[in-house]
Amino acid sequence: AQSVSQHNHHVILSEAASLELGCNYSYGGTVNLFWYVQYPGQHLQLLLKYFSGDPLVKGIKGFEAEFIKSKFSFNLRKPSVQWSDTAEYFCAVNAQGDMRFGAGTRLTVKP
Amino acid sequence: EADIYQTPRYLVIGTGKKITLECSQTMGHDKMYWYQQDPGMELHLIHYSYGVNSTEKGDLSSESTVSRIRTEHFPLTLESARPSHTSQYLCASGQPLNTEAFFGQGTRLTVV
Repeated sequence: AQSVSQHNHHVILSEAASLELGCNYSYGGTVNLFWYVQYPGQHLQLLLKYFSGDPLVKGIKGFEAEFIKSKFSFNLRKPSVQWSDTAEYFCAVNAQGDMRFGAGTRLTVKP
Repeated sequence: EADIYQTPRYLVIGTGKKITLECSQTMGHDKMYWYQQDPGMELHLIHYSYGVNSTEKGDLSSESTVSRIRTEHFPLTLESARPSHTSQYLCASGQPLNTEAFFGQGTRLTVV
């Protein structure tokens, strides 16, 4: 089965700083890739997804992610974070019909 | 907006009790999932279903069971709860062919 690795457990940034969260997966075939966000006390919500085509995908709230097939990576980026981006971020891979998640990265944005 | 509901949201129960966590979705999705999530930890897939009468075990060994008698309903049952079952349980649904999953609010279970 595929696996997903997120490199950062907890990231602390000041407002307006740039963000990059790493995600690598292990699966050699065709995959669909996702980033989910979980705000405190809320359910998981889809941030963005990649199925095919342009490897740079844009999601909600100014987030984007780049799929680099040769590196098995799907890193999440945002040029300028806001306090309201404080949340847990999960990378996920769907291959062979089921969804696997990484351990999550907690992002804390200081005002 | 996704329509997937989990009940109860919070549950405290004694060791040895039988419990069923409910999950329903109104989107007509064939795929449904149960994940277990401990604080600050990854989501572990414990069960999934491709459709009615289909149930599969996930990666994490679980003492729970599931059933899928109707498309919209995917309950998870613990026959005899133990403190090690204390966790958050997340239900999700989606269409086949590797599309995204939509999540419910979760059930936070505490076994005392």
